[in-house]
Amino acid sequence: GQQLNQSPQSMFIQEGEDVSMNCTSSSIFNTWLWYKQDPGEGPVLLIALYKAGELTSNGRLTAQFGITRKDSFLNISASIPSDVGIYFCAGQLGGNNRLAFGKGNQVVVIP
Amino acid sequence: IAGITQAPTSQILAAGRRMTLRCTQDMRHNAMYWYRQDLGLGLRLIHYSNTAGTTGKGEVPDGYSVSRANTDDFPLTLASAVPSQTSVYFCASSDTNRDTEAFFGQGTRLTVV
Repeated sequence: GQQLNQSPQSMFIQEGEDVSMNCTSSSIFNTWLWYKQDPGEGPVLLIALYKAGELTSNGRLTAQFGITRKDSFLNISASIPSDVGIYFCAGQLGGNNRLAFGKGNQVVVIP
Repeated sequence: IAGITQAPTSQILAAGRRMTLRCTQDMRHNAMYWYRQDLGLGLRLIHYSNTAGTTGKGEVPDGYSVSRANTDDFPLTLASAVPSQTSVYFCASSDTNRDTEAFFGQGTRLTVV
């Protein structure tokens, strides 16, 4: 299947700091998405990106669809304790609606 | 509140037993999915259904079966559970017009002993 590589796997950050995470693939994707999973919950969609180069914001979150269509990044600005969770990237190759998911980035915010 | 409901929320199951995980959505989404989540492996697609009456195999379909008799329900069945099927199972759905934006249920934590 399609492999999505997320880095880093886990991050410990101080409250108020910005945090960035990356997702790369050897495959070209038509769509990139970022999800967040809180402990004991299902993933929740944060941002969806549909065009190469697209930069989209959702509150303190900003995500970009890489020009090569093989990568995407997510940035969280001014982190707060409720940003704790696992962040997943997901991509769709196109022609079907089955997503490939990365293995997730664990974010821990230290008050 | 509209969304996806999974049942049960957790289950301990003896190996060899049959088990059906239930999933219901009230958003009238055409597509539905079953994923399993394991530590270090992320979310892996088990089976999917693009529309009522059709199903397809995902990345890890062995040992699982699904049916899609109507739009709202997408049950996942383990015919004869094995310990390697211990996992957290998530059902998801998406709308045809935004078919990549999947909405997830709360998950079912299954332990096979």
